Order: sequence, then structure tokens, then C-alpha cells
Amino acid sequence: DTAVSQTPKYLVTQMGNDKSIKCEQNLGHDTMYWYKQDSKKFLKIMFSYNNKELIINETVPNRFSPKSPDKAHLNLHINSLELGDSAVYFCASSQRMATEAFFGQGTRLTVV
Amino acid sequence: AQSVTQPDIHITVSEGASLELRCNYSYGATPYLFWYVQSPGQGLQLLLKYFSGDTLVQGIKGFEAEFKRSQSSFNLRKPSVHWSDAAEYFCAVGANQAGTALIFGKGTTLSVSS
Repeated sequence: DTAVSQTPKYLVTQMGNDKSIKCEQNLGHDTMYWYKQDSKKFLKIMFSYNNKELIINETVPNRFSPKSPDKAHLNLHINSLELGDSAVYFCASSQRMATEAFFGQGTRLTVV
Repeated sequence: AQSVTQPDIHITVSEGASLELRCNYSYGATPYLFWYVQSPGQGLQLLLKYFSGDTLVQGIKGFEAEFKRSQSSFNLRKPSVHWSDAAEYFCAVGANQAGTALIFGKGTTLSVSS
């Protein structure tokens, strides 16, 4: 009964491909996030949605596009993947913005 | 703008010894403060949080942290470290403001020696 689940856990793909990562939360939270963790383990906010509305859109290449079909889901689509996109991507949710966030297990994306 | 500094990149502690991980934050008002732990290949688990009230907060796994406004610090402590505590520890700051998200420090890697 995972609170925040994201799929897939591992994703290996070639440069130039398009891929999606899915995230679902069953906590009834209003806010969902995507974070990127780089090779030095630094966590950086990418996007945040509140009630399906985009609230935070950090300086992320426009090849990254989040989509929130409903409050419980926030997917991340990445076009034209580049080597530098290799990282671990975490989905998270919280009841309100910038309060206690619950994280998924992460998706390790490797671009070759 | 909010920011979080974790001055120690890597700390090694003997099993059974006490632990203190440092965290300093920058924020204009009273922040929300958090400590998360990440084991290898895992997501982040919340250890404890501070919103208001008592400045000494207790968390899971025997951890505690103390909010010191005068020092802009929120240091994490544990009286006796176990080998299973070896992990990456992240301090984070949030704010009760629309349009904000948790901002994380760069993390401290804790190694436990026997």
C-alpha cells in the first residue's frame, strides 16, 4: 500500500529518445512535486503542482513537461533525452506547499 | 530566498558514539524545518520536522533536533549510533507561502565504523 509510487524504477534509454515517468499518490494530498537528484546527490525542485495547477516551474529545459491528469497523479515526460539528463528523479507529495513531503522510491534514468 | 547549508559533507562515527549533524538555514521568517534520511537506492524518509512550539523535536529511530533561531540552525542528534544509521542525511527548509517547495541542503554522508 505504497503512499507515493513511481514507475519505472529503472529506465535505460538512448540519447534522442522520449520517455515518461509516472507518479501516483494515495495520500489525498493536494500538492505534488518532481525533484531531480544528480550524481552528487543534490536534490533540486523541478516542478510543483497544486490541485492540478502548475505552481513551480524551475529553470528546467522545456524538453521536460509535467502533466497532472488529476490530483493523485503527476507524470513527467522528457523529449529528446540527453546524456546530462541521467539522474534519479523523485516524485513527492504534500498536503500543502512546502510542508512535510512524502517521497517515492525514485526513478534512476540512465541515458546512453 | 531560502537556502540550507550542511557544512559537513562526510562524517564517520564509531558505533555506539553520539552523533551531531549540522544544518544552517537562511529564511526571513520562521521556517518549517525537516530532516530526511536516504539509504542507498531508496527514497527519502522523514526523520523529524519542526513547525513551531517546542524547539527540541523528537523523531523516529531515536533522532532529535533542536531549532535555534539565534543561530539559524537545526542540528540533528542521536545519542548512540547504530551501524544501520549509515546513510545520507538531508536537511530541508520550507515556508508557509504559496508557490514554494522544500529546499534541500547538499546532504551529509554518515559512515559508521565498528
